[in-house]
Amino acid sequence: DTAVSQTPKYLVTQMGNDKSIKCEQNLGHDTMYWYKQDSKKFLKIMFSYNNKELIINETVPNRFSPKSPDKAHLNLHINSLELGDSAVYFCASSQEASGRSYEQYFGPGTRLTVT
Amino acid sequence: GQNIDQPTEMTATEGAIVQINCTYQTSGFNGLFWYQQHAGEAPTFLSYNVLDGLEEKGRFSSFLSRSKGYSYLLLKELQMKDSASYLCAVRESYNTDKLIFGTGTRLQVFP
Repeated sequence: DTAVSQTPKYLVTQMGNDKSIKCEQNLGHDTMYWYKQDSKKFLKIMFSYNNKELIINETVPNRFSPKSPDKAHLNLHINSLELGDSAVYFCASSQEASGRSYEQYFGPGTRLTVT
Repeated sequence: GQNIDQPTEMTATEGAIVQINCTYQTSGFNGLFWYQQHAGEAPTFLSYNVLDGLEEKGRFSSFLSRSKGYSYLLLKELQMKDSASYLCAVRESYNTDKLIFGTGTRLQVFP
């Protein structure tokens, strides 16, 4: 069973288009995240939701809008795509528990290429 | 500010031991994680340190010194499958699960 899944795995699109990436986790976790990994493999947090509430919103262009319909899903919508948006986008989830490690479980990633 | 430094690349031989260092300067500290990421795949959790000292887990161990802002990941009995990037990440705040990642260390294991 896949713990954290993302669709699509690959996304090729033209500048100016609007696209969405979907993420689902079946781990029962309360917190979900979106990360961007650029061509230099640097992994940077974009957003985090806890029980459908936005708790982390890094300095990200407002063309990026996360939506969490329920705590098992966190989608990412991107408007007016630009060349610089090309990257791998990872979804992750974690469960906060007192006294335990807070490891995050990552999805397989969505490789976005903007042409 | 936030700064997490790791060597960019390392090489080692199968069967050997390798130590990957990580130094950090962050506005807060509530734990340090090591993740492994094979090319084209997702990062996977390896270890977590929140108190000073060594945590051992099979062939992998991780060490933390909070006063020095320093951690290392020790890989023993290296195997070819250990060729991957190793990411050091710091959890800054008790109130959020925000992780600040280093740029990662690409390890190549040769026969």
